[in-house]
Amino acid sequence: AQTVTQSQPEMSVQEAETVTLSCTYDTSENNYYLFWYKQPPSRQMILVIRQEAYKQQNATENRFSVNFQKAAKSFSLKISDSQLGDTAMYFCAFMTGRNGGATNKLIFGTGTLLAVQP
Amino acid sequence: KAGVTQTPRYLIKTRGQQVTLSCSPISGHRSVSWYQQTPGQGLQFLFEYFSETQRNKGNFPGRFSGRQFSNSRSEMNVSTLELGDSALYLCASSSDGEMNTEAFFGQGTRLTVV
Repeated sequence: AQTVTQSQPEMSVQEAETVTLSCTYDTSENNYYLFWYKQPPSRQMILVIRQEAYKQQNATENRFSVNFQKAAKSFSLKISDSQLGDTAMYFCAFMTGRNGGATNKLIFGTGTLLAVQP
Repeated sequence: KAGVTQTPRYLIKTRGQQVTLSCSPISGHRSVSWYQQTPGQGLQFLFEYFSETQRNKGNFPGRFSGRQFSNSRSEMNVSTLELGDSALYLCASSSDGEMNTEAFFGQGTRLTVV
């Protein structure tokens, strides 16, 4: 069974600084996808960034980037130039791939509550 | 393009009752997944429907069921409600294309069982 572990329940960062959120996962699959989702107080889950396991290059989306270490089964999220609007719960998630696409079954970590301080 | 719509947003039910939650996916999306979010258990996958068929199922008792209609709208039903069923229920839709893995979430239905 696949598992996702986020070992940092809470983190705090000053506005404009950089913060890294950790995530490790366990799977015997070779075809899978990894995600970081953000859940602000409004409770709407928003996709931050996605990484395909077969891609060696780390994904980047504006101020958000990941450090994907497949052998170590590690998938950390780096937020640069933190903004007040980044304050939210961040979830790391795993999805098994399948022929022709994904399973659409997300396995989530327990989340990291990030507070951006002014 | 309208997002994923879940109704109702809030619901209070009594233990032993049943409840039906609704999810309208993004137009053109055929896959709808349901998740339960609680402080104690976190986010847990309930089931996924694709083209009116349940394609994946999580580890929940049979009291939790769902269905999907021909227009891709989905409902989930919980029978014989228990206090522990109090949770935020999230629905996500996906286009299920060859390489498309993004799930778009609704705002959720907050269910309180008293």
